[in-house]
Amino acid sequence: KAGVTQTPRYLIKTRGQQVTLSCSPISGHRSVSWYQQTPGQGLQFLFEYFSETQRNKGNFPGRFSGRQFSNSRSEMNVSTLELGDSALYLCASSLAIGDGEKLFFGSGTQLSVL
Amino acid sequence: QKEVEQDPGPLSVPEGAIVSLNCTYSNSAFQYFMWYRQYSRKGPELLMYTYSSGNKEDGRFTAQVDKSSKYISLFIRDSQPSDSATYLCAMKSAGNNRKLIWGLGTSLAVNP
Repeated sequence: KAGVTQTPRYLIKTRGQQVTLSCSPISGHRSVSWYQQTPGQGLQFLFEYFSETQRNKGNFPGRFSGRQFSNSRSEMNVSTLELGDSALYLCASSLAIGDGEKLFFGSGTQLSVL
Repeated sequence: QKEVEQDPGPLSVPEGAIVSLNCTYSNSAFQYFMWYRQYSRKGPELLMYTYSSGNKEDGRFTAQVDKSSKYISLFIRDSQPSDSATYLCAMKSAGNNRKLIWGLGTSLAVNP
């Protein structure tokens, strides 16, 4: 069974640009979550989608947005990039949302903002 | 003060050692406790999942939860160089809309 696939693996952008990251969850998984990981802050929750609806959102500015498609694939977008947006962006999928959810992560997209 | 505290290390041990990794937390409502392992340039992978208190064993790995002390531990027996990674604890309270709260991770190096 294929795991969670994230593309691209690496991105270099400049301040002010925008970026779109893609995530294909494990087949059959309907929940997709996005995280930002930095050495100083660790893993920080961005948002979670289930059945194309955003179910939960972290404390990030509106420049960070996402969506989920009917095939459960998800994209996240960051507009007007800032230097501080440089991070590893991780996508995780799970069968459902709820108490028993177990997350399966992709390898991430390493974003560098210059 | 962060809700979940985890010593970032780095922790360096010889091959075959017993490793103890720990997290403390402040929110008594946490019910679900997880340990993830993250290799360099990879995403985290779930190692252990525990509901409420007690111990759980899986091969060389044992997870312990002490809710009275708000303390969780991961023990690795007979550590191997392949165990060299960052270990992250994560926890959440009950309810569908509760977010996972993560520790910063402990970097472990097992030296042959």
